[in-house]
Amino acid sequence: NAGVTQTPKFQVLKTGQSMTLQCAQDMNHNSMYWYRQDPGMGLRLIYYSASEGTTDKGEVPNGYNVSRLNKREFSLRLESAAPSQTSVYFCASSEASTGRNTIYFGEGSWLTVV
Amino acid sequence: GNSVTQMEGPVTLSEEAFLTINCTYTATGYPSLFWYVQYPGEGLQLLLKATKADDKGSNKGFEATYRKETTSFHLEKGSVQVSDSAVYFCALSDLSGNQFYFGTGTSLTVIP
Repeated sequence: NAGVTQTPKFQVLKTGQSMTLQCAQDMNHNSMYWYRQDPGMGLRLIYYSASEGTTDKGEVPNGYNVSRLNKREFSLRLESAAPSQTSVYFCASSEASTGRNTIYFGEGSWLTVV
Repeated sequence: GNSVTQMEGPVTLSEEAFLTINCTYTATGYPSLFWYVQYPGEGLQLLLKATKADDKGSNKGFEATYRKETTSFHLEKGSVQVSDSAVYFCALSDLSGNQFYFGTGTSLTVIP
């Protein structure tokens, strides 16, 4: 029961470095999401993809890019990391066909930018 | 627009105490409502959900009832355990199913 798998789990970056967070789901879901979680601010949506080949901005997209590589995979890229991007990042997926579906989360990626 | 407001924490309870975490929502139409739980160092896990008015979601002793008249989905448990210590998130999904809206989370600590 893999569900949503994201890598890496921990990463330390220097300011200005780039990196890509990888995410894959094995539930054949159409929709995938990237959230960030910061203390006292709950979950904030960065980008989402309603289907293969489409992506849309969420609440906090600045400084990030995404790629929906295929139905299974949705990656998040930081082109030039900044300390403000220190956060915990969660990938998620849902079927999203009827509005009655559940969203499933990965275990998180802890990113520190120094 | 859609939004979720939940009770601010942190909440500290003694083992076997009664738990209520309040959640109210603003939404168009009849969204689905959820409670998620996050244990330290882990992702969010679905705790329970309800998809229409007056539905009651339940799991692991937790319950929440979808109240359209008060736009609420309060989480309750009759007797909490130390293992229930976690952060709890109330959420809704819009009618398209593409968007989910989360509250800011309520941290619960249960002491023996």
